[in-house]
Amino acid sequence: DAGVIQSPRHEVTEMGQEVTLRCKPISGHNSLFWYRQTMMRGLELLIYFNNNVPIDDSGMPEDRFSAKMPNASFSTLKIQPSEPRDSAVYFCASTYSTGTDTQYFGPGTRLTVL
Amino acid sequence: KNQVEQSPQSLIILEGKNCTLQCNYTVSPFSNLRWYKQDTGRGPVSLTIMTFSENTKSNGRYTATLDADTKQSSLHITASQLSDSASYICVVSAGRHGNNRLAFGKGNQVVVIP
Repeated sequence: DAGVIQSPRHEVTEMGQEVTLRCKPISGHNSLFWYRQTMMRGLELLIYFNNNVPIDDSGMPEDRFSAKMPNASFSTLKIQPSEPRDSAVYFCASTYSTGTDTQYFGPGTRLTVL
Repeated sequence: KNQVEQSPQSLIILEGKNCTLQCNYTVSPFSNLRWYKQDTGRGPVSLTIMTFSENTKSNGRYTATLDADTKQSSLHITASQLSDSASYICVVSAGRHGNNRLAFGKGNQVVVIP
C-alpha cells in the first residue's frame, strides 16, 4: 500500500485566498483524521471521521475551516478565507475504527499564507 | 495549562547511550496513551499504544512505561542510534472512544551525536 497520500505537499498562498488540502487514506481504513502542527502549539486534532461521517470537529478553529469526506477514499480540508495564522503543517492520518489502533500519518502539507 | 507535559524539552545524547523521556498528564478519564516518533519534515509514526491495564510495552529499542495512578509515562531508548534523532510526542486519549478528546504534548526533541 502507498500509505496515506496528501496533496499538495507545499502550498503558498496569499491572505484571503481559498485553500484546499486533499487526503487519500489507506485502503480499508474507516477512520480519518486531520491534524495541524505548528511550533507554538504542537500537534492539534482538527476533526475526525468514522465511516465518512464527522465524529468530532471540536478542534476546528473557526468557521473558515471545513472538512468533507464524500467517500471512503477521499477527504478535503478547506480554509476560506485563509489568514497568515493558518500557516502550519497539516497532516492527515487514517486507521481502523477501534480506539487503540495505530494511526498512519501522511507526509503532511506545509501551508504558508502570506 | 497543557494537559500533557513532556520533559526534557530537548536533549543531546551520544550514540550508543540510553535516554528516558517523560510524559505527565492530567487527562481524565484515561483511555490510552501513545508515543509517536516524528522525523524532521515527516509525519509522526506510532511507536506504542498503551491502555489503562498495561504497564510496559516495547517496540524494538523503544520501551514505554505507564503508571496510570500517578499519570506518568516514560519512553526509554536503548543504545541510541543516529536515526533516533527526532521529536517524540506523547498523546493521551480521554473518554470512552479511544480517539476522542486527544491531548498532545509538545514533544521531546532528541539529537543523537556520533
